[in-house]
Amino acid sequence: GDSVTQMEGPVTLSEEAFLTINCTYTATGYPSLFWYVQYPGEGLQLLLKATKADDKGSNKGFEATYRKETTSFHLEKGSVQVSDSAVYFCALRYGGATNKLIFGTGTLLAVQP
Amino acid sequence: NAGVTQTPKFRILKIGQSMTLQCTQDMNHNYMYWYRQDPGMGLKLIYYSVGAGITDKGEVPNGYNVSRSTTEDFPLRLELAAPSQTSVYFCASSYGGLDQPQHFGDGTRLSIL
Repeated sequence: GDSVTQMEGPVTLSEEAFLTINCTYTATGYPSLFWYVQYPGEGLQLLLKATKADDKGSNKGFEATYRKETTSFHLEKGSVQVSDSAVYFCALRYGGATNKLIFGTGTLLAVQP
Repeated sequence: NAGVTQTPKFRILKIGQSMTLQCTQDMNHNYMYWYRQDPGMGLKLIYYSVGAGITDKGEVPNGYNVSRSTTEDFPLRLELAAPSQTSVYFCASSYGGLDQPQHFGDGTRLSIL
């Protein structure tokens, strides 16, 4: 079945460091891909998405490119801030128009000043 | 803007008790979802609904029931609570149509002792 695999955390970085969080997927067809972020004590919120191969999603300085050949959707940011500390979830859409999502296990990012 | 509101925020139940987790949204979204989030496991879909009067099972529906009598409300019912249902529960909603972002509530932390 469809699945999402994320790198395990926690990822600890200093402020202004470069961030990469790896995400790979297994799916039939070409699902849409998402990154959601969860700040402490809150629900998840959509960070970015890509709906077809070679699409690049971007938001708040974060980027991810839908790579069909490597079945990957890695999250990157050039310079992280303390306020980026959160749990990041990679997800794929399955089930057609019902928009059901399969989530990865999440990666905790801790940015130190 | 209220968005998705979940109540209660915290609850402790004894084994065998029952309760209803409330979820209401004020965005006129057709689609609503219930997830549970366990440590290191990401989010798993329990039930979802694509409109009032329509519900369907997700990945982990056993031990739960839902109803959707209005567009706004999507309560989740636990009957005969078991320790395995200790988790954080999130309700989400979205517009219909492919790849619409899901909007999450802040969660209900449930412990069953």
